[in-house]
Amino acid sequence: GESVGLHLPTLSVQEGDNSIINCAYSNSASDYFIWYKQESGKGPQFIIDIRSNMDKRQGQRVTVLLNKTVKHLSLQIAATQPGDSAVYFCAENQSDYKLSFGAGTTVTVRA
Amino acid sequence: NAGVTQTPKFQVLKTGQSMTLQCAQDMNHEYMSWYRQDPGMGLRLIHYSVGAGITDQGEVPNGYNVSRSTTEDFPLRLLSAAPSQTSVYFCASSPNSQGNTEAFFGQGTRLTVV
Repeated sequence: GESVGLHLPTLSVQEGDNSIINCAYSNSASDYFIWYKQESGKGPQFIIDIRSNMDKRQGQRVTVLLNKTVKHLSLQIAATQPGDSAVYFCAENQSDYKLSFGAGTTVTVRA
Repeated sequence: NAGVTQTPKFQVLKTGQSMTLQCAQDMNHEYMSWYRQDPGMGLRLIHYSVGAGITDQGEVPNGYNVSRSTTEDFPLRLLSAAPSQTSVYFCASSPNSQGNTEAFFGQGTRLTVV
């Protein structure tokens, strides 16, 4: 079946460097995508979203890129900080109003 | 500003016991949903509701019941707990049911079935 997935389960990044987290999706009908951050013991927290009519969207220190041709989504975090250590999930809006989540990428920031 | 509130935060059940996980939101959101999160996996949708009096099944509904008698509350009932239901459960709400807005999540309920 169609699903959302992340390329790598873990990512280790040096503090101050940029982080790139990737996500592949297979449902070409999906029109809305969200990135969530989940810290240990907490619920997922919204980071940024993007609609399918856009290729790029920027927030504070974060940028989401959407490549519909290859069905690829990425989250870029600029100047990664220790507080960015968390699990990051991408989610896609299925046609029947349900969000489908990937398995998550654990980001660890090295001091 | 409470947002989405889940109770309890932790629960241990014996196999066969029943219980209700509570979820309440104070944002007047139409759409509410329940997910379970297992190690190494993303969140999987159990049940959802697009408004008071309306519920529907998600990806993994077996063993769970829900009801939506008010806009604010969306309880999840485990009818006869099984070890396979050991998981972390998250309730979420969204402003509308169109699926094109962010979902706000509660802090989760960690359930262990022994």
